[in-house]
Amino acid sequence: RKEVEQDPGPFNVPEGATVAFNCTYSNSASQSFFWYRQDCRKEPKLLMSVYSSGNEDGRFTAQLNRASQYISLLIRDSKLSDSATYLCVVSGNFGNEKLTFGTGTRLTIIP
Amino acid sequence: SQTIHQWPATLVQPVGSPLSLECTVEGTSNPNLYWYRQAAGRGLQLLFYSVGIGQISSEVPQNLSASRPQDRQFILSSKKLLLSDSGFYLCAWMYKGRTTNTEAFFGQGTRLTVV
Repeated sequence: RKEVEQDPGPFNVPEGATVAFNCTYSNSASQSFFWYRQDCRKEPKLLMSVYSSGNEDGRFTAQLNRASQYISLLIRDSKLSDSATYLCVVSGNFGNEKLTFGTGTRLTIIP
Repeated sequence: SQTIHQWPATLVQPVGSPLSLECTVEGTSNPNLYWYRQAAGRGLQLLFYSVGIGQISSEVPQNLSASRPQDRQFILSSKKLLLSDSGFYLCAWMYKGRTTNTEAFFGQGTRLTVV
């Protein structure tokens, strides 16, 4: 089983729609969770951290379910500029510095 | 503010030639440093990470090695490149949190083509 699993997509979604991604992780000791965005042929950039209580940043909402070991990302009112690959990232607590990426979910917003 | 430099941006090397990719971080001390590789259309594969000078953890046995001669310098090397070493190589740094790890910040990457 992969340490971090994501649906690779692609997701083709009309502009203005809501889209949700899920990610599962295998190590129950994982402590830190993130969503990154990667544009074509560019480096990944942090989209948002994921906290146990859930967090929202504008049109983006991230949720963490520790019991089921999954993380979600919700994008509301999608824009053309949201087209990218979204990467789920998991790391351990202090002392376990390994940072593991999912393979990413490709999203294309259709005009 | 912290910055990360990675070079070169693009590299074409013949099979069997050596490789040296350098990554440096500015504006922070004692960071965690990472080397990732991304093959075309694939996810990021962790190659090496380092929590301090001279401390290297290897994730995948392969044709590559890494070194950290200085606190903010991380080098990826190979003595003889293989075709399968082609890919997008990314260096990243992460601030050491006291209880949890913070996010990682990436360099702009090196696109390596082995011919």
